[in-house]
Amino acid sequence: EDKVVQSPLSLVVHEGDTVTLNCSYEVTNFRSLLWYKQEKKAPTFLFMLTSSGIEKKSGRLSSILDKKELFSILNITATQTGDSAVYLCAVEGHTISNFGNEKLTFGTGTRLTIIP
Amino acid sequence: DAGVIQSPRHEVTEMGQEVTLRCKPISGHDYLFWYRQTMMRGLELLIYFNNNVPIDDSGMPEDRFSAKMPNASFSTLKIQPSEPRDSAVYFCASGRGLHEQYFGPGTRLTVT
Repeated sequence: EDKVVQSPLSLVVHEGDTVTLNCSYEVTNFRSLLWYKQEKKAPTFLFMLTSSGIEKKSGRLSSILDKKELFSILNITATQTGDSAVYLCAVEGHTISNFGNEKLTFGTGTRLTIIP
Repeated sequence: DAGVIQSPRHEVTEMGQEVTLRCKPISGHDYLFWYRQTMMRGLELLIYFNNNVPIDDSGMPEDRFSAKMPNASFSTLKIQPSEPRDSAVYFCASGRGLHEQYFGPGTRLTVT
């Protein structure tokens, strides 16, 4: 069974700090890893990672994937109160070896709280 | 574009009643997803469609749950009969693949 584990479950830091969120996975026929940010309502897409070692960057957020060690990190520098949210990691795999049905498995998320 | 539209936004019903959740995806997206989110289990993918055809329903918890997509602009998720443990937020999302999905605002379901 595919599995996605995020750590820490919860993190509280002061505004301006840098944080690193972790996502490890076990998945059949890995295709991509996705990061989402969920504030009060629906998740919004942040990054899609498919290749090891290539950093994706958007403003103060960046993410990188290690396909050998089966994990990804999401970094947020100079945090702001607007970064407070649950960050979800999801992994896309294929349910059968001939790359047929795609399957998406989510972690339970990391709840990040930024204190002003 | 208005984004993914879900209705109702809130539903409170009694155990045993039938519940129907509705979703209108973003025009042009050929994938549609139904998710359930609870504190205990996090976000779970229930089922997804490609070009109106169900592709993977392995996340559907049991036979009480069913989903249909009669056309490219409408989908329903039905629970019959509903139970208290079905209480959750149900999200619909659409996209052009499993990645870069656009989520609707969700339906908060409470079964008493």
